Amino acid sequence: DAKTTQPPSMDCAEGRAANLPCNHSTISGNEYVYWYRQIHSQGPQYIIHGLKNNETNEMASLIITEDRKSSTLILPHATLRDTAVYYCIVRGGANSKLTFGKGITLSVRP
Amino acid sequence: NAGVTQTPKFQVLKTGQSMTLQCAQDMNHEYMSWYRQDPGMGLRLIHYSVGAGITDQGEVPNGYNVSRSTTEDFPLRLLSAAPSQTSVYFCASSYYGLAGETQYFGPGTRLLVL
Repeated sequence: DAKTTQPPSMDCAEGRAANLPCNHSTISGNEYVYWYRQIHSQGPQYIIHGLKNNETNEMASLIITEDRKSSTLILPHATLRDTAVYYCIVRGGANSKLTFGKGITLSVRP
Repeated sequence: NAGVTQTPKFQVLKTGQSMTLQCAQDMNHEYMSWYRQDPGMGLRLIHYSVGAGITDQGEVPNGYNVSRSTTEDFPLRLLSAAPSQTSVYFCASSYYGLAGETQYFGPGTRLLVL
């Protein structure tokens, strides 16, 4: 599975959009981009995933560049409860495993 | 659905003791896995199972055993606990064989080995 690179941390103001970047320059054609988050001391929580097209659900939007070498997770209106570690993961075919890196720590300030 | 449940929530062991961390899911998922998370680190895969009777090693399997006799349960056994196994342990499950499926995680078991 391709490796991902995320900055270690970022912050944003409550109510503003949080844009979390991820680089995955070695991604291959059948690999999905997943985002999970982990709020302090809890188990990781699935947010969203995509292959090529941009995706949106009730939690977030995922924007994948046309060459698929990077992506951005967007939390449109960040709240204090969105403070967490966010993991960008590239996962291969149906039988491959999730590999977690260190993620990016998002701090939402009042 | 209860989702993925783990017991106990907390455990303190002495070096050399054995114990079993329990994990159960009620979603009829074929795929189950165990991760450990050390302070300030991401999750590392210990063992996983793609169905009843089938298990395989992950990234850090040493010191841990697993078995999968039913679809619902996937216990993790520490045969002789060591301080290096102090960690938070997460169990996860998902459907197997679906590209793009999501994993559901349990709340974790916090283990301290003295």
